[in-house]
Amino acid sequence: QKEVEQDPGPLSVPEGAIVSLNCTYSNSAFQYFMWYRQYSRKGPELLMYTYSSGNKEDGRFTAQVDKSSKYISLFIRDSQPSDSATYLCAMLGIQGAQKLVFGQGTRLTINP
Amino acid sequence: DSGVTQTPKHLITATGQRVTLRCSPRSGDLSVYWYQQSLDQGLQFLIQYYNGEERAKGNILERFSAQQFPDLHSELNLSSLELGDSALYFCASSVEASFYNEQFFGPGTRLTVL
Repeated sequence: QKEVEQDPGPLSVPEGAIVSLNCTYSNSAFQYFMWYRQYSRKGPELLMYTYSSGNKEDGRFTAQVDKSSKYISLFIRDSQPSDSATYLCAMLGIQGAQKLVFGQGTRLTINP
Repeated sequence: DSGVTQTPKHLITATGQRVTLRCSPRSGDLSVYWYQQSLDQGLQFLIQYYNGEERAKGNILERFSAQQFPDLHSELNLSSLELGDSALYFCASSVEASFYNEQFFGPGTRLTVL
């Protein structure tokens, strides 16, 4: 069983829809939770990060972490065609070394 | 543009061969990371260097090795290549190596082993 599980999709929604992406994890040592966006043939870029449990909002993006359920989510409001990409969740423990553990990534398409 | 550069962009080689991938971190970043991205395994951490010293290892094969040079650029060496080594290889860099520091990813090197 992988430490981080993420549905690879693909997920296809109409423009303007609310998108919900999520990951589950098994390692209770994870303290930092990140969402990366990866466009085709590009490197991942950090969208948001959250420390421990709670919500964080940045424009149209909201990240939620529920450590009791070992479940994290990313919500995208008013989705745009430019949001079409692969979204990867990533997690990190406090170990003195930054060994990011990634989910498989969810491929998202926003249809105009 | 993240500021991390990787060369070459594409590499096509044969089984049994050896290749070297190069990474230049963002200006001021001391820590370099290597990741492998394949369709079946996803994005996996290979190894981390901080200011020239190895800091952490992931599931890196013994056929693979890396180093970080005094000018902070890094090289990933892949030897005795197998078909299964075909993947995207990403380098990332961050300012420090402890606690949370945002990792900035390069554009990647696409390796194809025939």
